[in-house]
Amino acid sequence: GEDVEQSLFLSVREGDSSVINCTYTDSSSTYLYWYKQEPGAGLQLLTYIFSNMDMKQDQRLTVLLNKKDKHLSLRIADTQTGDSAIYFCAEDTGGGNKLTFGTGTQLKVEL
Amino acid sequence: NAGVMQNPRHLVRRRGQEARLRCSPMKGHSHVYWYRQLPEEGLKFMVYLQKENIIDESGMPKERFSAEFPKEGPSILRIQQVVRGDSAAYFCASSPRQGPEQYFGPGTRLTVT
Repeated sequence: GEDVEQSLFLSVREGDSSVINCTYTDSSSTYLYWYKQEPGAGLQLLTYIFSNMDMKQDQRLTVLLNKKDKHLSLRIADTQTGDSAIYFCAEDTGGGNKLTFGTGTQLKVEL
Repeated sequence: NAGVMQNPRHLVRRRGQEARLRCSPMKGHSHVYWYRQLPEEGLKFMVYLQKENIIDESGMPKERFSAEFPKEGPSILRIQQVVRGDSAAYFCASSPRQGPEQYFGPGTRLTVT
């Protein structure tokens, strides 16, 4: 079945790197995504990776994909207080028409 | 280029009333998706529409819920005879083509009293 799992909480100090992990189940997913949600707001698309890639880097963000283990991670370098939010990973299912989301990881950045 | 617009942002309905949620996709986008987020949970897919067509409604509850995306105007998610369990944030997303990027609106937070 379709299930995307994430740990619920992560706390880091400002300036450190954050690594948010995700496991998914649908091996036929074409793209995998990371979204950011701030309190009371919608979801902001941060980045996505094509399933035949291992890594994608975009400024402070690095996405790693281990397709064999169905494991996706998001690394945020030099984490800032403005990065505090809930981060959702998602996979496309049903031919890319719908996204299946994880439960979200709440990132707290401490001074 | 304005983003995905949703209105109202907050909606309060009493049990048994109807709720109508509107979504205007980004300019040039002809694909609309609706998702529901229950408190403390991730988003769950409800329905995928193109202009005048429902493409995938596998996530829609069988009763009381309907969606449309007419040739002109916004997409509408309609919930008839609302119950307390319908209280949630409803998000709309749009894309210019079939995947990979879906851009989300700010959501409509429905509270059923």
